[in-house]
Amino acid sequence: QKEVEQNSGPLSVPEGAIASLNCTYSDRGSQSFFWYRQYSGKSPELIMFIYSNGDKEDGRFTAQLNKASQYVSLLIRDSQPSDSATYLCAGPAGGTSYGKLTFGQGTILTVHP
Amino acid sequence: EAGVAQSPRYKIIEKRQSVAFWCNPISGHATLYWYQQILGQGPKLLIQFQNNGVVDDSQLPKDRFSAERLKGVDSTLKIQPAKLEDSAVYLCASSYEQGRGAFFGQGTRLTVV
Repeated sequence: QKEVEQNSGPLSVPEGAIASLNCTYSDRGSQSFFWYRQYSGKSPELIMFIYSNGDKEDGRFTAQLNKASQYVSLLIRDSQPSDSATYLCAGPAGGTSYGKLTFGQGTILTVHP
Repeated sequence: EAGVAQSPRYKIIEKRQSVAFWCNPISGHATLYWYQQILGQGPKLLIQFQNNGVVDDSQLPKDRFSAERLKGVDSTLKIQPAKLEDSAVYLCASSYEQGRGAFFGQGTRLTVV
């Protein structure tokens, strides 16, 4: 099983809708998760992080973490065409691999006008 | 604050040649990562340093890849000899400490012909 897994999509939503991106992880010792946005031809950019169970909101972005289900998600409200990018979920492993930052394969999001 | 610096930005080499990439992390960041990103995939961790010590290199093809981080600051990643399948973007990232989000440089796009 991959350490961090995303449904690769692609996901297409209309402008103004909510985009929901999901990620599961295998290491129960993982304590924190990160969402990165990567535009075509660019390097990943850190946009959200979450360390505890529940929701964390930052502007139009909400990250959700459910440690019992080993599930993390990112919601983008009022999606804009400029949000069109690949979204990468990443988590550091726990235990003996503490701090190893592993990425999922990414979900391609397209927001159409 | 200056970001992660990488060079070169682009490199084209023939198979069986050698190549080296350089990375200067954000000042004060103890953790440094090298990732390989093949088109359409998420970044794959090659090696992680904590100061000048290796934390994880389980996915580094050690028969051809090597990396070092002298004095706990700059790092170099070398491939010798290169294979066609090494064509990818090589990303360097740094983090203030393990378990925190990492910030990426612009990457080096390597093409092996």
